[in-house]
Amino acid sequence: QQQVKQSPQSLIVQKGGISIINCAYENTAFDYFPWYQQFPGKGPALLIAIRPDVSEKKEGRFTISFNKSAKQFSLHIMDSQPGDSATYFCAASFQAGGGNKLTFGTGTQLKVEL
Amino acid sequence: DTGVSQDPRHKITKRGQNVTFRCDPISEHNRLYWYRQTLGQGPEFLTYFQNEAQLEKSRLLSDRFSAERPKGSFSTLEIQRTEQGDSAMYLCASSFTAPSSPLHFGNGTRLTVT
Repeated sequence: QQQVKQSPQSLIVQKGGISIINCAYENTAFDYFPWYQQFPGKGPALLIAIRPDVSEKKEGRFTISFNKSAKQFSLHIMDSQPGDSATYFCAASFQAGGGNKLTFGTGTQLKVEL
Repeated sequence: DTGVSQDPRHKITKRGQNVTFRCDPISEHNRLYWYRQTLGQGPEFLTYFQNEAQLEKSRLLSDRFSAERPKGSFSTLEIQRTEQGDSAMYLCASSFTAPSSPLHFGNGTRLTVT
């Protein structure tokens, strides 16, 4: 059972453009939604995270938009740079009895071209 | 470097052999997680510990898999009678207990079963 669906599977963006990755979840008990960035040969690294009591969170060039009623959230990367080329994973967890255990999406491979 | 450390980075084994991986978490963290990641997929939860207690195991964790965290510090993941389907990246992560504490991942152990 895939509880977090992520799209697109891959994305090519020009340098300076906006990268947008979308996720949808099924379990309404989820209350923590992080995004992770993974480079080849490395483990995932936390990029930015949001809780459902806010609709948007911005950290530098990275913004999460959250729509609780639609059970969807998205990552926007502004002014995309070649160094942003990586695989991005959305994830979700619930704290009450969830143990901070994350359920991941299937990933989006982002390539930023010059 | 005080991040999560995993050893070995790569392991090639023949089908039917046993393998053991080690994870050293961030020392202040009392939670430790094991995930498995196959090519093109997001990490899948296997099990997690709070201190030395194993609190949850995924259905993915067959009887051939066993994890320990004997003194609440480092952890080991053993796979007995390996199968080709066990080929994957095995990721370890650690976190504090507090809700929404981010998971910090190691760079994983890549297992290839021939």
